Amino acid sequence: QKEVEQDPGPLSVPEGAIVSLNCTYSNSAFQYFMWYRQYSRKGPELLMYTYSSGNKEDGRFTAQVDKSSKYISLFIRDSQPSDSATYLCAMSARNTDKLIFGTGTRLQVFP
Amino acid sequence: NAGVTQTPKFQVLKTGQSMTLQCAQDMNHNSMYWYRQDPGMGLRLIYYSASEGTTDKGEVPNGYNVSRLNKREFSLRLESAAPSQTSVYFCASSEPSVGRVSTEAFFGQGTRLTVV
Repeated sequence: QKEVEQDPGPLSVPEGAIVSLNCTYSNSAFQYFMWYRQYSRKGPELLMYTYSSGNKEDGRFTAQVDKSSKYISLFIRDSQPSDSATYLCAMSARNTDKLIFGTGTRLQVFP
Repeated sequence: NAGVTQTPKFQVLKTGQSMTLQCAQDMNHNSMYWYRQDPGMGLRLIYYSASEGTTDKGEVPNGYNVSRLNKREFSLRLESAAPSQTSVYFCASSEPSVGRVSTEAFFGQGTRLTVV
């Protein structure tokens, strides 16, 4: 069993919908949480980074971390067809740069 | 600005053959990584290097060896390829900042490896 789990999808939503992507993890040492976006046949690119519990907003994207539940979320408001990609959560513990990824959720936004 | 460069981009191997995947970064990063990506499995860490001359096993190190000869380059070697190693391999690099942790990893374009 992986340390970080995601629903693989695919998740298919209409343009303009609010999308919720989630990850659960088992290692309580994780303190740094990231969301990456990966387009087909490309390497992942960082979307958002958060430290410990709380919320962070960047434009249409909001990241939430609930360390007590070992649960993180990414919300996408007013989703666009250009948001169609695979979204991967990633996390690391204090004093280590070893970055562990989730299984990824494939999102499709149709016009 | 090249970033992280992986070679080759595509490779077909026969079972039992060996090969080395090359990775180089020009961002002066200390941390480098090798991941494999398979359908439904996400990115799985094979090996990690915190600095030149140091390496550490990740989630799936069996069947692989790595070499971090200098700060720029981190190579991944398959000594005796098996069909189970058919995958897309990604190299990444990052630079630790606060708390010895990086806030962003930069990825190469990937190597698509098929073992027949």
